[in-house]
Amino acid sequence: GNSVTQMEGPVTLSEEAFLTINCTYTATGYPSLFWYVQYPGEGLQLLLKATKADDKGSNKGFEATYRKETTSFHLEKGSVQVSDSAVYFCALKSGGSYIPTFGRGTSLIVHP
Amino acid sequence: GAVVSQHPSWVICKSGTSVKIECRSLDFQATTMFWYRQFPKQSLMLMATSNEGSKATYEQGVEKDKFLINHASLTLSTLTVTSAHPEDSSFYICSARDSQETQYFGPGTRLLVL
Repeated sequence: GNSVTQMEGPVTLSEEAFLTINCTYTATGYPSLFWYVQYPGEGLQLLLKATKADDKGSNKGFEATYRKETTSFHLEKGSVQVSDSAVYFCALKSGGSYIPTFGRGTSLIVHP
Repeated sequence: GAVVSQHPSWVICKSGTSVKIECRSLDFQATTMFWYRQFPKQSLMLMATSNEGSKATYEQGVEKDKFLINHASLTLSTLTVTSAHPEDSSFYICSARDSQETQYFGPGTRLLVL
């Protein structure tokens, strides 16, 4: 079956630090990969996605590259801001399903 | 962008009572809505898929008589946790799918059963 594994949080960083949140997956077929972000008090929002190997999704300074050989989709940002504090979910869809399989979420806390 | 609201945002109830959670798509029509459950430090788990005007489709292991879902209109789905018990305490999240098949998520409802 499908599964997504994310690094446990919380991840605590100072402003302008480099961010990496690891995500690996197992899937049947050829999945599409996603990162969602949930800001406090709000719903999950799609942050970025990649649909095939070596694709790089990017948005708001965040990037993630679809690595088929390592079954990974790590989220990175070169310089985080306090406003990036949120919970980040890695997810995949495969087999023609429109329902994502989510990781458990990683909380990011950025201090000024 | 599209917004999905949930009400209430949090609820505390006594064991044995029923709790209703509403999920609304505010600026689009959603023929399909989804209900998820999230335990602390765990993934979002899909509970059921709710289709407007028809019965919900429940995932394996989810009791349909325990978690009643009604999708009476294109903008509203409700989840009722019947005869709630402490083990039902969780974070419940809904999402709604628009005509472009994009899913929008609500902010979640935290349920605590005493």
